[in-house]
Amino acid sequence: EAGVAQSPRYKIIEKRQSVAFWCNPISGHATLYWYQQILGQGPKLLIQFQNNGVVDDSQLPKDRFSAERLKGVDSTLKIQPAKLEDSAVYLCASSLGRREVNTEAFFGQGTRLTVV
Amino acid sequence: LAKTTQPISMDSYEGQEVNITCSHNNIATNDYITWYQQFPSQGPRFIIQGYKTKVTNEVASLFIPADRKSSTLSLPRVSLSDTAVYYCLVPLWGNTPLVFGKGTRLSVIA
Repeated sequence: EAGVAQSPRYKIIEKRQSVAFWCNPISGHATLYWYQQILGQGPKLLIQFQNNGVVDDSQLPKDRFSAERLKGVDSTLKIQPAKLEDSAVYLCASSLGRREVNTEAFFGQGTRLTVV
Repeated sequence: LAKTTQPISMDSYEGQEVNITCSHNNIATNDYITWYQQFPSQGPRFIIQGYKTKVTNEVASLFIPADRKSSTLSLPRVSLSDTAVYYCLVPLWGNTPLVFGKGTRLSVIA
């Protein structure tokens, strides 16, 4: 079974530039998450989708971050304009998303963003 | 969402059993306890989930007392490759936001 695919793996940009990350979840997974993980900290949930609807985006800095999940499959996360403090690993994860016990989420390898 | 508290770090020698305890005093009736493992430069990986008593799989055991206000992840005979950060989460069910805390950084020493 293919895992969660993310691209690019690494990205270096200057502050005030824009950047986009792409995520392809596991086939059939209704729930998709984007996390930001700063070095030494736990992953911070930015946004959670259920199919193509937003379940939670309370921690997404909406003045500069945006995310979409067209057709309930692939998703993109964009930052515009980037700040130095956005340097982090951006992780995408997916899960079946049913209202059942199994909340196992599968993570991609992440995109390491460096803002200089 | 139930708030969880776990030690920031632990050290262990190879071959020992490691127990990481997580407290979740305000766990709700429908909450399950889930543990994830994260190696450096990788995303977290689900390792075990339970509701009560004991759950065991090929990776770990999870012990949950009757009051469910805490849980203990047990890793038998750890090796250097078990060095990772271990997160305790208490999600409700499928659509609950999956919120990670700081986790426990386990260092296994030869």
